[in-house]
Amino acid sequence: DIQMTQSPSTLSASVGDRVTITCRASQSVSRWLAWFQQKPGKAPKLLIYQASSLEIGVPSRFSGSGSGTEFTLTISSLQPDDFAVYYCQQYYGFPYTFGQGTKLEIK
Amino acid sequence: QVQLVQSGAEVKKPGASVKVSCKASGYTFTTLDLHWVRQAPGQGLEWMGWMNPNSGNTGYAQKFQGRVILTRDTSISTAYMELSSLTSADTAVYYCVRGRGAVACLDSWGQGTLLTVSS
Repeated sequence: DIQMTQSPSTLSASVGDRVTITCRASQSVSRWLAWFQQKPGKAPKLLIYQASSLEIGVPSRFSGSGSGTEFTLTISSLQPDDFAVYYCQQYYGFPYTFGQGTKLEIK
Repeated sequence: QVQLVQSGAEVKKPGASVKVSCKASGYTFTTLDLHWVRQAPGQGLEWMGWMNPNSGNTGYAQKFQGRVILTRDTSISTAYMELSSLTSADTAVYYCVRGRGAVACLDSWGQGTLLTVSS
């Protein structure tokens, strides 16, 4: 199975900050990488697919980059609504696998 | 708009089975795969398997092989996930998720179904 490792596990930041979350795959997943946002008690929401494509309706302050084994999710200017848990996920091959999550907290 | 509406919360005893439903609307049910993902309390996301609603073909994570069955009823645009031999470790929220594209990106999620396994 492809292992996905996110860093950091927890990130404390303030409204207006620029933040970056990193996701590393144990082998190449090409660009078949998605990012999700999850709020308490809610289903995950797709933000980014194919490493850098913004899902319809997602604010442009979210961006993704990378290919192969290293990927990043960047939020250019944090808004109050952005404090949540973020997951990366590879869909290069079965079984699909997720990172362990990054909790974005208010500083 | 795309909607995946799942059945309600379940409480089961160890050793029992559960069947969760997922009704799709807002798109043609048979054109896109459906996946199942679970999340134990306070934990991360775990992919369980997928189904092609048109052909009925399925694939399962090795961890769940022999214990999970994915089925569908195309006449009512509904998919089902049946999990057997339940233990407390199966206590989790179970999500059905649409897979979009030839290389399926998980784009639309059901609201989740909480399964509690307790004696």
